[in-house]
Amino acid sequence: EPEVTQTPSHQVTQMGQEVILRCVPISNHLYFYWYRQILGQKVEFLVSFYNNEISEKSEIFDDQFSVERPDGSNFTLKIRSTKLEDSAMYFCASGDRVGRYGYTFGSGTRLTVV
Amino acid sequence: AQSVAQPEDQVNVAEGNPLTVKCTYSVSGNPYLFWYVQYPNRGLQFLLKYITGDNLVKGSYGFEAEFNKSQTSFHLKKPSALVSDSALYFCAVRDIGGATNKLIFGTGTLLAVQP
Repeated sequence: EPEVTQTPSHQVTQMGQEVILRCVPISNHLYFYWYRQILGQKVEFLVSFYNNEISEKSEIFDDQFSVERPDGSNFTLKIRSTKLEDSAMYFCASGDRVGRYGYTFGSGTRLTVV
Repeated sequence: AQSVAQPEDQVNVAEGNPLTVKCTYSVSGNPYLFWYVQYPNRGLQFLLKYITGDNLVKGSYGFEAEFNKSQTSFHLKKPSALVSDSALYFCAVRDIGGATNKLIFGTGTLLAVQP
């Protein structure tokens, strides 16, 4: 069964540092997403990406965040200057046909900002 | 705006007993509804979805869910709980108001199955 792969599984960074979270979505999917889950809490939408551009973003996704699909396979989330409150689990997901056939989530990257 | 509600933060059930994890939804139009499970320190695993058709949807690990349009509910059920079912369960609905129909998640229900 196809999988969404995320790396690293866990990253610890100092406040103010830049981090890049990486994802390899399912190859024939067209829609890509990042979600965030602060420890044990609700899963929150950050951003969606389609046709090589952001199609929707939440209020959480401010200027500190950016996404890229640099080479047609990887899908990255960059946080420019991390804050303590960015500590969370970040999930990448991909989908086809705008969700009719389901969404596949990666196993997540646990980001700890110290 | 589309939303889902999971009214119970935690559900406790004895092993071998039936379990129900509740979810209600609020959407305009026909809902696409999903259940995901999250084991400790793991990602979100897809359990099942309702798009159209039969109101009783069968999914992974013996779980099923019943779509009830009149009660706007999509409760997750299993006839006989296992200790290994203990996890955090999320109900989600596809947001048809946004540009890319992202998922909107409920707050999650922690299922604890006692031996």
